[in-house]
Amino acid sequence: EIVLTQSPGTLSLSPGERATLSCRASQSVSSSYLAWYQQKPGQAPRLLIYGASSRATGIPDRFSGSGSGTDFTLTIRRLEPEDFAVYYCQQYGSSPYTFGQGTKLEIK
Amino acid sequence: QVQLVESGGDVVQPGRSLRLSCAASGFSFSNYGMHWVRQAPGKGLEWVAVISYDGSNKYYADSVKGRFTISRDNSKNTLYLQMNSLRAEDTAVYYCAKADRVIMLFGSCFDYWGQGTLVTVSS
Repeated sequence: EIVLTQSPGTLSLSPGERATLSCRASQSVSSSYLAWYQQKPGQAPRLLIYGASSRATGIPDRFSGSGSGTDFTLTIRRLEPEDFAVYYCQQYGSSPYTFGQGTKLEIK
Repeated sequence: QVQLVESGGDVVQPGRSLRLSCAASGFSFSNYGMHWVRQAPGKGLEWVAVISYDGSNKYYADSVKGRFTISRDNSKNTLYLQMNSLRAEDTAVYYCAKADRVIMLFGSCFDYWGQGTLVTVSS
């Protein structure tokens, strides 16, 4: 099983700042099958990034993903008020599919 | 547009059974793998099970293996999760999610999610 560890657990920033979220895998993620999801309170998760760096349909270009192998990053350039949420990384290359524990992005 | 609507969540006693349903619309259901993902109150996401587009392949998380069964009825565009021998630790919101690529199971992330249905296991 591939274990995903996200850091930091909580990130406190102000609107307009840049957010950098990390996701580290316990072993290499095949073919960069790494996704990022955003979840707001009371809502289902929403796909942001797939294939480590491709934006899902309708996702603003201030969201970007990078990385390969075992180290991946989600960057949000110029935070908007609606970006404050919990973010999860996920590997989907092998079973069991696994999620990181999440990073809570909160308003400072 | 793609819609996934879960139902069947309830309060049940430990050891009892429950069946969840997920009604799909807005896409060719029979071409896509489907997943169940759960989220315990205040916790993160946990993948539960996946079924291939034709129902021939199924995979489960170790935490539910032997107790839960995923199935689908492509004629009804509906996904199911039969949950037996329920435990307190199965208490969660259960989401169904669609694989983003036709036919593929692995290498396919989750592009649409339902709003979830709450299962509470308590005596």
